[in-house]
Amino acid sequence: QKEVEQDPGPLSVPEGAIVSLNCTYSNSAFQYFMWYRQYSRKGPELLMYTYSSGNKEDGRFTAQVDKSSKYISLFIRDSQPSDSATYLCAMETGGSYIPTFGRGTSLIVHP
Amino acid sequence: DGGITQSPKYLFRKEGQNVTLSCEQNLNHDAMYWYRQDPGQGLRLIYYSQIVNDFQKGDIAEGYSVSREKKESFPLTVTSAQKNPTAFYLCASSQGFANYGYTFGSGTRLTVV
Repeated sequence: QKEVEQDPGPLSVPEGAIVSLNCTYSNSAFQYFMWYRQYSRKGPELLMYTYSSGNKEDGRFTAQVDKSSKYISLFIRDSQPSDSATYLCAMETGGSYIPTFGRGTSLIVHP
Repeated sequence: DGGITQSPKYLFRKEGQNVTLSCEQNLNHDAMYWYRQDPGQGLRLIYYSQIVNDFQKGDIAEGYSVSREKKESFPLTVTSAQKNPTAFYLCASSQGFANYGYTFGSGTRLTVV
C-alpha cells in the first residue's frame, strides 16, 4: 500500500458542477496537507495548504482534512473549464524538507 | 516578480551525451529540489539541497548529478549513465521545511533520441 493514494481519473464534469477531489493516506504522523494544481506542460502551483484537521476556504476552493479517517478532500464550487488540470495532494509530518505526493487526479471541466 | 526559472523549456539530446538543465530562483529560498515526472508515475525526487555547497540524493539519483555553488542556482546534469532520461524535469524551492509548500518552476521537457 502506498503512503498516499489518489485516484488518477480522469474526472469529467460539466461546467458549474461541484468537484470533489480526494486523497487517502496511511501515515498518521502527517500534519500538513497541501493541494497543487498543474496545468498541462507546466509546473505545479500551490493552491492551498492546511494544518491538522478542519476546513479551509479560499474563494471557490475548500480544503478539508479528516485525520481520524486519514482522508483529505479539495472541493471546487462552480467549476470552470479553466479548472481543467491535474490536482496533486501532498502531505508532510512537519520538520521535513520532503513531502509525500499523491500521483495526481486529472480533472476535465467541459462547457 | 519572484520565481523559479528553468531553461530551456524543451531539450533534445542524442543518446550517450550528458546534458545540464538550468534552475535559477530569486525567492531567497534556502532549499532547492529536482523532481522527475513521468506519465502515471507522479513526482519522483532526484536530488535536493538544503543549503549552499550541500545536497542529498533522492529516490532516483542514479545517473544524475547536481551542484549548489550559489544559493540562487541548482543545475541538474543528466549523464549518459541514466538509462531512461526522457522525461519532464521540475525544479522547486522552499523557504525551510516543506510544510508550507514548494514553489515550482515551469519544467524542462528532455527528449533523448
